Amino acid sequence: GAGVSQSPSNKVTEKGKDVELRCDPISGHTALYWYRQRLGQGLEFLIYFQGNSAPDKSGLPSDRFSAERTGESVSTLTIQRTQQEDSAVYLCASSLGSGIGTNEKLLFGSGTQLSVL
Amino acid sequence: AQTVTQSQPEMSVQEAETVTLSCTYDTSENNYYLFWYKQPPSRQMILVIRQEAYKQQNATENRFSVNFQKAAKSFSLKISDSQLGDTAMYFCAFTNTNAGKSTFGDGTTLTVKP
Repeated sequence: GAGVSQSPSNKVTEKGKDVELRCDPISGHTALYWYRQRLGQGLEFLIYFQGNSAPDKSGLPSDRFSAERTGESVSTLTIQRTQQEDSAVYLCASSLGSGIGTNEKLLFGSGTQLSVL
Repeated sequence: AQTVTQSQPEMSVQEAETVTLSCTYDTSENNYYLFWYKQPPSRQMILVIRQEAYKQQNATENRFSVNFQKAAKSFSLKISDSQLGDTAMYFCAFTNTNAGKSTFGDGTTLTVKP
């Protein structure tokens, strides 16, 4: 596609339910990133993929959070047993490459606004 | 670990005037990249300008320029001839050349007043 696509754009769920957030990166982009942005705050790194592998999962806040990527394309971020503190915008970004020597800019989707009631 | 600090939570400027947004960072690395991103109310983050740490010359993109002071670990963004469409949240970001993720500051909300 022309840009990074995220779905749904908004998700309202009840505390304790599981949610899945989807990211379609730009075709050919090998690196994919998930960030969380709480209201009025900066971006908090969650996880990044190089191809289908996740070299850095250090930002995942708890074992309720997991992510996968398949076909070096679509990625899904899953939050189990959601809590009110999980309410935030979840942003996905992709870039051509990652690692030594790269200076590739991140191209972001418009995010998923998650509200946990 | 790298940290990025934006000390100005909110700023405002009159249309057509010039404004400077501050950013400092902390790292022990010598090779890295610095970015300024803009996030309008639509939520979509947009790259404004990029600077490679090994380059001494400050990056410029039309009305946007940076003042990169490597020794001081400072990376400020200057917006000239401010326009109403520049109203947004601005994030400074650091990327280590040996790591995939970018570290972001907490952002500065800029309001351009008519």
